[in-house]
Formats: sequence, structure tokens, C-alpha cells
Amino acid sequence: NAGVTQTPKFRILKIGQSMTLQCTQDMNHNYMYWYRQDPGMGLKLIYYSVGAGITDKGEVPNGYNVSRSTTEDFPLRLELAAPSQTSVYFCASSRTDRGQRDTQYFGPGTRLTVL
Amino acid sequence: KQEVTQIPAALSVPEGENLVLNCSFTDSAIYNLQWFRQDPGKGLTSLLLIQSSQREQTSGRLNASLDKSSGRSTLYIAASQPGDSATYLCAVKGGGNKLTFGTGTQLKVEL
Repeated sequence: NAGVTQTPKFRILKIGQSMTLQCTQDMNHNYMYWYRQDPGMGLKLIYYSVGAGITDKGEVPNGYNVSRSTTEDFPLRLELAAPSQTSVYFCASSRTDRGQRDTQYFGPGTRLTVL
Repeated sequence: KQEVTQIPAALSVPEGENLVLNCSFTDSAIYNLQWFRQDPGKGLTSLLLIQSSQREQTSGRLNASLDKSSGRSTLYIAASQPGDSATYLCAVKGGGNKLTFGTGTQLKVEL
């Protein structure tokens, strides 16, 4: 199993541009998450999904959109990129939200800079 | 609003030492607490998950305890090794299926 994969690894955007961060998991997990990590800070939840076709906002959803058309994929869309969106973005997945199967598995991250 | 604090922010110890990392949280109404390891430039790896009904979990040289009523967890690392050098994050899950993360403890184990 590849686990959770993310593309691209690095990206530089100009202010106002848009892009999609890709996330794929091959563990057949129902739950998927997007986090951002700013320097010296903990991770903050952007959006999450409990299954295909179902998404919900996290703590910091403004400026982002998500979709979940399949179990495997959970892309994160940035519209009108702003310098405040400069961060490292992590995708994660878990089997359920109960018990030990709640363990979240993380991708390697996408480092995004908006200039 | 849940807040998670980790102390110390950074720690440097000689190889072989036993050490304790601390995590505190403000809202005791949690479902579970997880400890993660993060290596530079990489994602997070889950180390231990303690459910709210449990007091501790062990994996190899790692032992994590949870005192929900006082809002505290500790991660104990026995016989530390240079390969343990990383940032350790704790995260608590409350309502709404959301993890709240601490800012981490950066650990360096020196030869």
C-alpha cells in the first residue's frame, strides 16, 4: 500500500492564481481530512469528509473548497490565492472515527508559497 | 474552545536517557488523544492513540498516559536514541470529529 499520497510536493503561486492540491489514499478509508501547518504552529483542520459525496468545514475553511467524488480522492481547491495561504498542507485519512481505527494516516505534505 | 499546550517546546538530551514530554488540554470532554511524530519535511506518523476510557497505551519504548480529569497526557520515551530525534505532537479529538493539535516538542537526542 502506498498509503496517503499528495501532489505536488512544492508549488509557488502568484497572488490571485488558483490551484488544486491532490490527495489519494489506497487504504479504503472512509474519512479524509485536509490540514494546514504554519511555522511554529499546530495543524489546523480545513475540511474533512466522512465518505464519498459528503464534506464538511473544519476550523479554517475560508478560501478553500473540496470535493469527494470517490472514496480514494479528496482534492483541495484554492481559489484566488493569497499570501496568508502560504503554508504546508497535509492530507490524512482514517478508517472510522471510533476507537483505535480512528488513527489518522498522513501524507507527506505540499509546501505552498504565495507571492 | 479546546486549546492544547505542549511543554517544553524543545528538548535536547544525551543518548540513553529516559524522557517525558507533556501535553495539556483545556476541555476534558474528549474522545481520544493521539501522539504523533513528525520528521523534518515529512508528514505525521501516529505513535499511540489513547481512548478517553483508557489510562495508558504502550508501544515498544513508548508509553503514553492520559489523565482526562486534569487535562494532561505524558509521552514517556525509554532509553532514547538519536533516531528518536523529531518533533512530537499531541492532538485531542473532541466533538465534531475534529482533532486539535498542540504546537509540538522538538526533541534532539545527541550521541
